[in-house]
Amino acid sequence: DAGITQSPRHKVTETGTPVTLRCHQTENHRYMYWYRQDPGHGLRLIHYSYGVKDTDKGEVSDGYSVSRSKTEDFLLTLESATSSQTSVYFCAISETPGTQPYEQYFGPGTRLTVT
Amino acid sequence: QKEVEQNSGPLSVPEGAIASLNCTYSDRGSQSFFWYRQYSGKSPELIMFIYSNGDKEDGRFTAQLNKASQYVSLLIRDSQPSDSATYLCAVNKGGGFKTIFGAGTRLFVKA
Repeated sequence: DAGITQSPRHKVTETGTPVTLRCHQTENHRYMYWYRQDPGHGLRLIHYSYGVKDTDKGEVSDGYSVSRSKTEDFLLTLESATSSQTSVYFCAISETPGTQPYEQYFGPGTRLTVT
Repeated sequence: QKEVEQNSGPLSVPEGAIASLNCTYSDRGSQSFFWYRQYSGKSPELIMFIYSNGDKEDGRFTAQLNKASQYVSLLIRDSQPSDSATYLCAVNKGGGFKTIFGAGTRLFVKA
């Protein structure tokens, strides 16, 4: 998984509780991404980071926040988990775009269940 | 209309046959195209990328791009049972971080 770890790998939590997922990379790649994957929807971008403390929203960012204080770590926080956030969450990394293509490499995923 | 569309399948082919996976996209400004393979319960794994019209071959895999018709395809020759997985098509417009993924096509290779 290209030097990418995610923790926890599985989590069950209750509606209304905060949850933080961690992505850690050892590749020193500049760009990091959080996706969620749901049946019938494919991978959808939640947030991404283009450097330390530089982040921006993706297409499904409502209810999520992120932080990146070090190159190697990208945190995804669900401020108040809802059942609609039950999903598999993938972290991905890529190197400086510059020129094409923008190959992304994925972590092992975190399966989150909100009850 | 979804930005990246794939037939969900399952596509079933016998071992040794050619598997053909197709993907269409809506944004004519798209510049980079990717195929990922995802085994059940695992993370997506990059197989190939292509950004010029025509064919690109890598081992048993061939990616084909036709920008005029806005489709990209993946051919898998001599399909093996180990190729059974979901194949995700992804499209990037270029100059940005937004890569759009299709929902994937499930491929089943029968031994």
